[in-house]
Amino acid sequence: GESVGLHLPTLSVQEGDNSIINCAYSNSASDYFIWYKQESGKGPQFIIDIRSNMDKRQGQRVTVLLNKTVKHLSLQIAATQPGDSAVYFCAEMGTGRRALTFGSGTRLQVQP
Amino acid sequence: DAGVIQSPRHEVTEMGQEVTLRCKPISGHNSLFWYRQTMMRGLELLIYFNNNVPIDDSGMPEDRFSAKMPNASFSTLKIQPSEPRDSAVYFCASSLGPQGYEQYFGPGTRLTVT
Repeated sequence: GESVGLHLPTLSVQEGDNSIINCAYSNSASDYFIWYKQESGKGPQFIIDIRSNMDKRQGQRVTVLLNKTVKHLSLQIAATQPGDSAVYFCAEMGTGRRALTFGSGTRLQVQP
Repeated sequence: DAGVIQSPRHEVTEMGQEVTLRCKPISGHNSLFWYRQTMMRGLELLIYFNNNVPIDDSGMPEDRFSAKMPNASFSTLKIQPSEPRDSAVYFCASSLGPQGYEQYFGPGTRLTVT
């Protein structure tokens, strides 16, 4: 069946370093991908999205890379800050669908 | 922009009681989604609406769950009767267009059924 998963359940980085969070998906019909950040006790917060006709998209301190050949998605956070500590989810949406399928999440811990 | 508003933020109820969760989407958004988050199953879509019409309710666990959207600014998710296994955080999200892109989530309602 369709699934969206993450390689690393927990990622620990030093403040100021760059972080890379990875995500694999299995649905070749997925055409929209999105990253969310969820802090404890809060709802998922939209970070950045990308459509399948692109392989890279940049935001403020964040970059999403999409490799459709190997069905891999990554989120890069530059100069990671303590406020970036949270659980990060990738999610995908297939062609014709309007519902997101979420991965299991990666916890990012930023050490001061 | 107030964002998506959900109420209550916390709900504790006894097994067998009726529970109603409420959501106000972002003004102007015409798609609304209800999700449930648990440690075991992660984030799961329950149902979504477009222009107040339910489009896909295949994620609704069983007949005990029902959702309505009487107008563009209000939706409810009802559980009757509630069971301990319904304990979870329920999120509402909304998006501008019908495609479901850029869904913005509310703060969630933490439901505990004892």
